[in-house]
Amino acid sequence: AQSVAQPEDQVNVAEGNPLTVKCTYSVSGNPYLFWYVQYPNRGLQFLLKYITGDNLVKGSYGFEAEFNKSQTSFHLKKPSALVSDSALYFCAVRGGDVPFGSGNTGKLIFGQGTTLQVKP
Amino acid sequence: EAQVTQNPRYLITVTGKKLTVTCSQNMNHEYMSWYRQDPGLGLRQIYYSMNVEVTDKGDVPEGYKVSRKEKRNFPLILESPSPNQTSLYFCASSLTRGYTDTQYFGPGTRLTVL
Repeated sequence: AQSVAQPEDQVNVAEGNPLTVKCTYSVSGNPYLFWYVQYPNRGLQFLLKYITGDNLVKGSYGFEAEFNKSQTSFHLKKPSALVSDSALYFCAVRGGDVPFGSGNTGKLIFGQGTTLQVKP
Repeated sequence: EAQVTQNPRYLITVTGKKLTVTCSQNMNHEYMSWYRQDPGLGLRQIYYSMNVEVTDKGDVPEGYKVSRKEKRNFPLILESPSPNQTSLYFCASSLTRGYTDTQYFGPGTRLTVL
């Protein structure tokens, strides 16, 4: 079964410091990985995705993520955190190579979410 | 502006009173889906639709219905809501069902069933 784990419920960093939000996955076939951010009272906003190719993916708002196949990880990173980055972050995986008709609904499988707190 | 819209954003209702949450997208997407978000559980898929008149169950479909009569709209229907359906609901869409397609989410509907 496909799954995503975000091992930290909350990450605290000081403004200006680098941040990392961790994500590991388990999927049969090729992983297609996504990061979303949810600000209070807002929907999920797409940040970035890994499909294939370069293991370092750059996304919105200065975020990037590093895909590591051997460690089955897809950690979200930012070189210098801002107070405005404080939000709930979700890692998600879609699909793999399971044929659509074999019980795969095309859904995103989400981790539990990690709250990022950036302190001034 | 390309977007997914949902209405209402907030709803408080009582057990058994039928309700509909609307979802609309203006991106001509084929694939649409409903998720519910609960603390500690992330988001779970309720129903999805691959195209007009094609819908199917997700992981937690009990107590919900959907329809897809037009490509842009995908309403979520609770025929007889119960307190365990109190949750935050998100509609999402993507160009196709393809694994590499990005799903775009609406702003969410916070539902409370008393």
